[in-house]
Amino acid sequence: DAGVIQSPRHEVTEMGQEVTLRCKPISGHNSLFWYRQTMMRGLELLIYFNNNVPIDDSGMPEDRFSAKMPNASFSTLKIQPSEPRDSAVYFCASSPPPTGPGTQYFGPGTRLTVL
Amino acid sequence: AQSVAQPEDQVNVAEGNPLTVKCTYSVSGNPYLFWYVQYPNRGLQFLLKYITGDNLVKGSYGFEAEFNKSQTSFHLKKPSALVSDSALYFCATYGNNRLAFGKGNQVVVIP
Repeated sequence: DAGVIQSPRHEVTEMGQEVTLRCKPISGHNSLFWYRQTMMRGLELLIYFNNNVPIDDSGMPEDRFSAKMPNASFSTLKIQPSEPRDSAVYFCASSPPPTGPGTQYFGPGTRLTVL
Repeated sequence: AQSVAQPEDQVNVAEGNPLTVKCTYSVSGNPYLFWYVQYPNRGLQFLLKYITGDNLVKGSYGFEAEFNKSQTSFHLKKPSALVSDSALYFCATYGNNRLAFGKGNQVVVIP
């Protein structure tokens, strides 16, 4: 089993540029989560999908952030325009059905640096 | 709101000694509690969870945790720490279809 796959692993960009982070969940999992990790704020849930539908995006910091899940095997998190304060490690996680207090499986993360 | 607290920033322990990482919870309803570990430059890995049943939960890599309802705690334990256990440990509670994580505890196992 390949686990959750994220790309790129590292991204360095300049302020104002568009950034797209990608995630492939584990096959058969129907829930997908995007988290952001920083030293100051710890691990924050940004948005989560169930059966490809966004269920809760209350953690998305502002309109510059958007996420999509066009099918069960792919999701993107986009930041446009990016700002230095967006620098963080972004994790994607997935969990299998049924929906409930199930284990989440995390990808290796994308380390984003915005200069 | 569901939340957990990890009161210590860092836990230092000598190799071979018992390791305890503390977590207390505040939830409405039945608590669903998790422990995850994060090694440097890696994603979080699931260690164990308490949903219901036996208060002592056994997990991966020799770790276990004890659910204590009266003290609202879910401390992570390992009888004999290894240097390879040095990592960041997160306690989490599940509610409203999401995991709420604590701030994490850095564990340093000294050879």
